[in-house]
Amino acid sequence: DTAVSQTPKYLVTQMGNDKSIKCEQNLGHDTMYWYKQDSKKFLKIMFSYNNKELIINETVPNRFSPKSPDKAHLNLHINSLELGDSAVYFCASSWTSGEKLFFGSGTQLSVL
Amino acid sequence: KNQVEQSPQSLIILEGKNCTLQCNYTVSPFSNLRWYKQDTGRGPVSLTIMTFSENTKSNGRYTATLDADTKQSSLHITASQLSDSASYICVVTRMDSSYKLIFGSGTRLLVRP
Repeated sequence: DTAVSQTPKYLVTQMGNDKSIKCEQNLGHDTMYWYKQDSKKFLKIMFSYNNKELIINETVPNRFSPKSPDKAHLNLHINSLELGDSAVYFCASSWTSGEKLFFGSGTQLSVL
Repeated sequence: KNQVEQSPQSLIILEGKNCTLQCNYTVSPFSNLRWYKQDTGRGPVSLTIMTFSENTKSNGRYTATLDADTKQSSLHITASQLSDSASYICVVTRMDSSYKLIFGSGTRLLVRP
């Protein structure tokens, strides 16, 4: 009964490819997020959705496009992958913005 | 500038020993401060939350303190266990027109037998 699940766990791909990461939460939360954790282990917010509506869109290349088909799902699509996109991407959810975050186990993206 | 700084960057201790991790922040206006534990290969998990009026909060062997005047927090781990080996991340919530979470870079703790 994983609360926040994201797939795949590992993603290895070539530069220039397009890939997607899926995220689902079964906690009934209204808000979902995508975070990027770089090699220095900083977690940086990328996007936040509340009830399927985009509320936070940090300075992220427009090659990254989130899609929320319903409030339990928030997928991340990345076009034209670059070497610098290699990182661990975490999905998270919470009742509302600012509340305790529940994180998925991460997707380690390696762009070769 | 809204920042969260943690120290030390990494720490190695022997099983059974105590340790204290530090978090200094310059985030304003302050809403709350959380400590998260991140095991290797997993997402962070919330340990404690501290609001402005709280000085100390415990969760088992974890005790967090907050000094809102000096903008400092600490996480004290008592009688460490091997399973405490993880990264500990301090997260401060800023509240103005909306909530914004400011993350520290974490302290990597290794507990050795």
